[in-house]
Amino acid sequence: DIQMTQSPSSLSASVGDTVTITCRTSQSVSDYLNWYQQKLGKAPKILIYVASNLQGGVPSRFTGSGSGTDFTLTITNLQPEDSATYYCQQSYSTPYSFGRGTQLEIK
Amino acid sequence: EVQLVESGGGLVKPGGSLRLSCAASGFSFSTYSMNWVRQAPGKGLEWVSSIRSGSEYVYYADSVMGRFTISRDNTGNSLYLQMNSLRVEDTAVYYCARPKNQDPYYFYGMDVWGQGTTVTVSS
Repeated sequence: DIQMTQSPSSLSASVGDTVTITCRTSQSVSDYLNWYQQKLGKAPKILIYVASNLQGGVPSRFTGSGSGTDFTLTITNLQPEDSATYYCQQSYSTPYSFGRGTQLEIK
Repeated sequence: EVQLVESGGGLVKPGGSLRLSCAASGFSFSTYSMNWVRQAPGKGLEWVSSIRSGSEYVYYADSVMGRFTISRDNTGNSLYLQMNSLRVEDTAVYYCARPKNQDPYYFYGMDVWGQGTTVTVSS
Protein backbone atom coordinates (compact mmCIF):
# COMPACT_ATOMS: atom_id res chain seq x y z
CA ASP A 1 0.00 0.00 0.00
CA ILE A 2 1.11 3.56 -0.72
CA GLN A 3 1.58 5.75 2.36
CA MET A 4 0.88 9.47 2.21
CA THR A 5 2.74 12.07 4.21
CA GLN A 6 1.10 15.49 4.08
CA SER A 7 2.47 18.57 5.77
CA PRO A 8 1.93 20.75 7.59
CA SER A 9 -1.06 19.45 9.53
CA SER A 10 -2.21 23.00 10.09
CA LEU A 11 -1.23 26.53 9.19
CA SER A 12 -2.41 30.04 9.64
CA ALA A 13 -1.96 32.79 7.09
CA SER A 14 -3.35 36.19 6.21
CA VAL A 15 -5.42 37.38 3.31
CA GLY A 16 -3.16 37.96 0.34
CA ASP A 17 -0.48 35.54 1.52
CA THR A 18 0.87 32.56 -0.40
CA VAL A 19 0.91 29.13 1.23
CA THR A 20 2.31 25.77 0.18
CA ILE A 21 1.15 22.32 1.26
CA THR A 22 3.27 19.31 0.50
CA CYS A 23 2.41 15.68 -0.03
CA ARG A 24 4.91 12.87 -0.25
CA THR A 25 4.08 9.31 -1.30
CA SER A 26 5.96 6.21 -0.15
CA GLN A 27 6.48 5.11 -3.75
CA SER A 28 6.10 6.72 -7.11
CA VAL A 29 2.54 7.48 -8.19
CA SER A 30 3.68 9.08 -11.46
CA ASP A 31 1.38 12.12 -11.61
CA TYR A 32 -1.70 10.42 -10.16
CA LEU A 33 -2.03 12.82 -7.27
CA ASN A 34 -5.14 14.88 -6.59
CA TRP A 35 -5.96 17.70 -4.20
CA TYR A 36 -9.29 18.31 -2.46
CA GLN A 37 -10.70 21.10 -0.37
CA GLN A 38 -13.20 20.34 2.36
CA LYS A 39 -15.12 22.94 4.30
CA LEU A 40 -16.73 22.16 7.61
CA GLY A 41 -19.77 19.92 7.24
CA LYS A 42 -19.45 19.69 3.47
CA ALA A 43 -18.35 17.06 1.00
CA PRO A 44 -14.83 17.36 -0.42
CA LYS A 45 -14.34 19.30 -3.62
CA ILE A 46 -11.63 18.45 -6.12
CA LEU A 47 -9.24 21.31 -6.85
CA ILE A 48 -6.39 19.75 -8.79
CA TYR A 49 -6.31 16.43 -10.59
CA VAL A 50 -3.35 14.48 -11.92
CA ALA A 51 -0.85 16.67 -10.10
CA SER A 52 -1.25 19.93 -11.95
CA ASN A 53 -4.59 20.14 -13.73
CA LEU A 54 -6.98 22.74 -12.41
CA GLN A 55 -10.55 21.54 -12.03
CA GLY A 56 -13.07 23.67 -13.90
CA GLY A 57 -14.47 26.51 -11.83
CA VAL A 58 -11.56 26.51 -9.39
CA PRO A 59 -9.73 29.85 -9.12
CA SER A 60 -6.33 30.03 -10.76
CA ARG A 61 -4.90 30.96 -7.35
CA PHE A 62 -4.65 27.21 -6.78
CA THR A 63 -1.67 25.50 -8.40
CA GLY A 64 -0.47 21.94 -8.18
CA SER A 65 2.93 20.61 -9.10
CA GLY A 66 5.17 17.59 -8.72
CA SER A 67 5.55 14.06 -9.96
CA GLY A 68 6.84 10.76 -8.70
CA THR A 69 6.76 11.02 -4.93
CA ASP A 70 6.78 14.74 -4.14
CA PHE A 71 3.89 17.10 -4.75
CA THR A 72 2.82 20.57 -3.73
CA LEU A 73 -0.35 22.59 -3.62
CA THR A 74 0.24 26.31 -3.69
CA ILE A 75 -2.43 28.88 -2.96
CA THR A 76 -1.57 32.46 -3.84
CA ASN A 77 -3.40 35.64 -2.85
CA LEU A 78 -5.25 33.87 -0.05
CA GLN A 79 -8.90 34.76 0.36
CA PRO A 80 -11.16 34.32 3.40
CA GLU A 81 -13.11 31.59 1.60
CA ASP A 82 -9.95 29.48 1.36
CA SER A 83 -10.32 28.57 5.02
CA ALA A 84 -10.74 24.79 4.85
CA THR A 85 -8.99 21.47 5.20
CA TYR A 86 -6.97 20.29 2.22
CA TYR A 87 -6.28 16.67 1.35
CA CYS A 88 -4.03 14.99 -1.16
CA GLN A 89 -4.99 11.62 -2.59
CA GLN A 90 -3.11 9.19 -4.79
CA SER A 91 -5.12 7.55 -7.56
CA TYR A 92 -2.31 5.39 -8.89
CA SER A 93 -3.27 2.14 -7.20
CA THR A 94 -5.74 0.75 -4.69
CA PRO A 95 -6.16 1.45 -1.87
CA TYR A 96 -6.53 5.06 -3.07
CA SER A 97 -5.05 6.60 0.05
CA PHE A 98 -5.51 10.16 1.28
CA GLY A 99 -3.13 12.35 3.20
CA ARG A 100 -4.10 13.23 6.77
CA GLY A 101 -5.14 16.73 5.81
CA THR A 102 -3.94 20.30 6.29
CA GLN A 103 -6.20 22.66 8.16
CA LEU A 104 -5.78 26.18 6.79
CA GLU A 105 -6.87 29.11 8.93
CA ILE A 106 -7.14 32.59 7.48
CA LYS A 107 -6.16 35.17 10.09
CA GLU B 1 -27.70 18.45 -12.99
CA VAL B 2 -25.14 15.82 -12.05
CA GLN B 3 -26.07 14.53 -8.61
CA LEU B 4 -25.38 11.77 -6.11
CA VAL B 5 -27.70 11.23 -3.15
CA GLU B 6 -26.82 8.77 -0.40
CA SER B 7 -29.27 7.16 1.97
CA GLY B 8 -29.49 4.29 4.41
CA GLY B 9 -27.36 5.55 7.26
CA GLY B 10 -28.41 5.23 10.87
CA LEU B 11 -27.64 3.89 14.30
CA VAL B 12 -26.70 0.22 14.54
CA LYS B 13 -25.24 -1.97 17.27
CA PRO B 14 -21.79 -3.51 16.95
CA GLY B 15 -22.02 -6.68 14.91
CA GLY B 16 -25.06 -5.40 13.05
CA SER B 17 -25.61 -4.70 9.38
CA LEU B 18 -26.62 -1.76 7.25
CA ARG B 19 -27.04 -1.17 3.52
CA LEU B 20 -26.18 2.20 2.07
CA SER B 21 -27.56 3.40 -1.25
CA CYS B 22 -26.45 6.12 -3.62
CA ALA B 23 -28.82 7.37 -6.30
CA ALA B 24 -27.11 8.88 -9.34
CA SER B 25 -28.64 11.27 -11.83
CA GLY B 26 -27.61 13.66 -14.57
CA PHE B 27 -24.87 11.53 -16.11
CA SER B 28 -24.32 8.17 -17.75
CA PHE B 29 -23.96 6.14 -14.55
CA SER B 30 -23.29 2.85 -16.29
CA THR B 31 -20.10 4.17 -17.92
CA TYR B 32 -18.33 5.22 -14.72
CA SER B 33 -16.57 3.33 -11.97
CA MET B 34 -17.85 4.45 -8.58
CA ASN B 35 -16.41 4.82 -5.10
CA TRP B 36 -17.29 4.95 -1.43
CA VAL B 37 -15.25 7.22 0.83
CA ARG B 38 -15.83 7.69 4.56
CA GLN B 39 -14.88 10.18 7.23
CA ALA B 40 -14.94 9.37 10.92
CA PRO B 41 -15.96 12.21 13.26
CA GLY B 42 -13.18 14.79 13.40
CA LYS B 43 -10.91 12.66 11.22
CA GLY B 44 -9.65 12.65 7.65
CA LEU B 45 -10.94 11.00 4.51
CA GLU B 46 -10.61 7.26 3.99
CA TRP B 47 -11.23 5.52 0.68
CA VAL B 48 -13.42 2.47 1.32
CA SER B 49 -14.27 0.73 -1.93
CA SER B 50 -14.51 1.00 -5.72
CA ILE B 51 -16.45 -0.84 -8.38
CA ARG B 52 -15.91 -0.84 -12.12
CA SER B 53 -18.69 0.26 -14.45
CA GLY B 54 -19.80 -3.26 -15.28
CA SER B 55 -19.11 -4.66 -11.80
CA GLU B 56 -16.30 -6.75 -13.26
CA TYR B 57 -13.83 -5.64 -10.63
CA VAL B 58 -14.31 -4.48 -7.06
CA TYR B 59 -11.72 -3.19 -4.62
CA TYR B 60 -11.74 -2.67 -0.85
CA ALA B 61 -9.70 -1.07 1.86
CA ASP B 62 -8.12 -3.61 4.19
CA SER B 63 -10.17 -2.19 7.06
CA VAL B 64 -13.46 -3.35 5.47
CA MET B 65 -12.36 -6.35 3.42
CA GLY B 66 -14.56 -9.36 4.10
CA ARG B 67 -17.22 -7.30 5.89
CA PHE B 68 -18.40 -4.80 3.29
CA THR B 69 -19.68 -5.52 -0.22
CA ILE B 70 -19.98 -2.92 -2.95
CA SER B 71 -22.48 -3.42 -5.75
CA ARG B 72 -24.38 -1.45 -8.35
CA ASP B 73 -27.53 -1.49 -10.44
CA ASN B 74 -26.86 0.22 -13.74
CA THR B 75 -30.48 -0.07 -14.80
CA GLY B 76 -31.60 1.80 -11.72
CA ASN B 77 -28.57 4.15 -11.59
CA SER B 78 -27.74 3.11 -8.05
CA LEU B 79 -24.66 2.22 -6.03
CA TYR B 80 -24.77 0.18 -2.84
CA LEU B 81 -22.60 -0.67 0.13
CA GLN B 82 -23.64 -3.65 2.22
CA MET B 83 -21.97 -3.37 5.60
CA ASN B 84 -21.90 -6.42 7.87
CA SER B 85 -20.19 -7.16 11.18
CA LEU B 86 -20.10 -3.45 11.89
CA ARG B 87 -17.61 -2.12 14.43
CA VAL B 88 -17.51 1.05 16.48
CA GLU B 89 -14.65 2.24 14.28
CA ASP B 90 -16.92 2.10 11.21
CA THR B 91 -18.76 5.14 12.59
CA ALA B 92 -18.44 7.80 9.91
CA VAL B 93 -20.07 9.86 7.24
CA TYR B 94 -20.11 7.77 4.08
CA TYR B 95 -19.86 9.49 0.72
CA CYS B 96 -20.35 8.05 -2.71
CA ALA B 97 -18.16 9.72 -5.30
CA ARG B 98 -17.77 9.61 -9.05
CA PRO B 99 -14.40 9.64 -10.80
CA LYS B 100 -13.62 12.61 -12.99
CA ASN B 101 -12.91 10.36 -15.96
CA GLN B 102 -14.60 7.30 -17.39
CA ASP B 103 -11.43 5.39 -18.22
CA PRO B 104 -11.18 2.62 -15.59
CA TYR B 105 -7.41 2.31 -16.01
CA TYR B 106 -6.55 5.92 -15.27
CA PHE B 107 -8.20 7.40 -12.23
CA TYR B 108 -8.14 11.19 -12.19
CA GLY B 109 -9.67 11.72 -8.78
CA MET B 110 -13.31 12.23 -7.82
CA ASP B 111 -15.18 15.28 -9.01
CA VAL B 112 -18.77 14.52 -8.00
CA TRP B 113 -19.67 13.74 -4.39
CA GLY B 114 -22.89 13.12 -2.57
CA GLN B 115 -23.82 14.95 0.61
CA GLY B 116 -22.99 11.89 2.72
CA THR B 117 -24.97 9.62 5.00
CA THR B 118 -24.06 9.10 8.65
CA VAL B 119 -23.47 5.66 10.10
CA THR B 120 -23.18 5.36 13.87
CA VAL B 121 -22.14 2.05 15.39
CA SER B 122 -22.78 2.05 19.11
CA SER B 123 -24.28 -0.15 21.79
